[in-house]
Amino acid sequence: SQKIEQNSEALNIQEGKTATLTCNYTNYSPAYLQWYRQDPGRGPVFLLLIRENEKEKRKERLKVTFDTTLKQSLFHITAAQPADSATYLCALDPGGTGRRALTFGSGTRLQVQP
Amino acid sequence: KAGVTQTPRYLIKTRGQQVTLSCSPISGHRSVSWYQQTPGQGLQFLFEYFSETQRNKGNFPGRFSGRQFSNSRSEMNVSTLELGDSALYLCASSSQPSGRGNTGELFFGEGSRLTVL
Repeated sequence: SQKIEQNSEALNIQEGKTATLTCNYTNYSPAYLQWYRQDPGRGPVFLLLIRENEKEKRKERLKVTFDTTLKQSLFHITAAQPADSATYLCALDPGGTGRRALTFGSGTRLQVQP
Repeated sequence: KAGVTQTPRYLIKTRGQQVTLSCSPISGHRSVSWYQQTPGQGLQFLFEYFSETQRNKGNFPGRFSGRQFSNSRSEMNVSTLELGDSALYLCASSSQPSGRGNTGELFFGEGSRLTVL
């Protein structure tokens, strides 16, 4: 069956360290993958997109990698700050033919301690 | 530019009732998608509309329906509410419909929190 797996346990790190979040998928051939941030009681906010032919994407303190062989994306936040505390969702285009909807993982909650 | 607006933000219904949720997309966006978010299942795709046509539908029962108007505003309706329908319903707009080659980000509203008693 098709699955998108993100670590359901919260990730706790100290301020200034690098946070690394994982997104693994099974039985998908995504053309691209996106990462979103969601704060409690709010809608998700788009952060980054990476295509299947790209290995790495950066935006300020954020970096995303995409390994289609491992079927995995890693999301890094360098020099993490307490304001980065939120739930991070990965979402992928499920691939294949026809009309496809962006499919989301369940998210990983990041807590950055001051 | 105004963001995606969802109304109402919070509502409480009882089992068996029906509910209608509204979504106004970002100006110029013609694609509207609806998602249900629950703690156990995460974000689950309900349906997508583009130019008043349903393009895609998720794996939800027929009690869940939607429509889109000529001004791109969208509504979703849930009939015969069940306890399990309690969730955050999120609407997202995009300038292009989903599909290969359209990698556009989704712009989400703040959601409508539905509680079914």
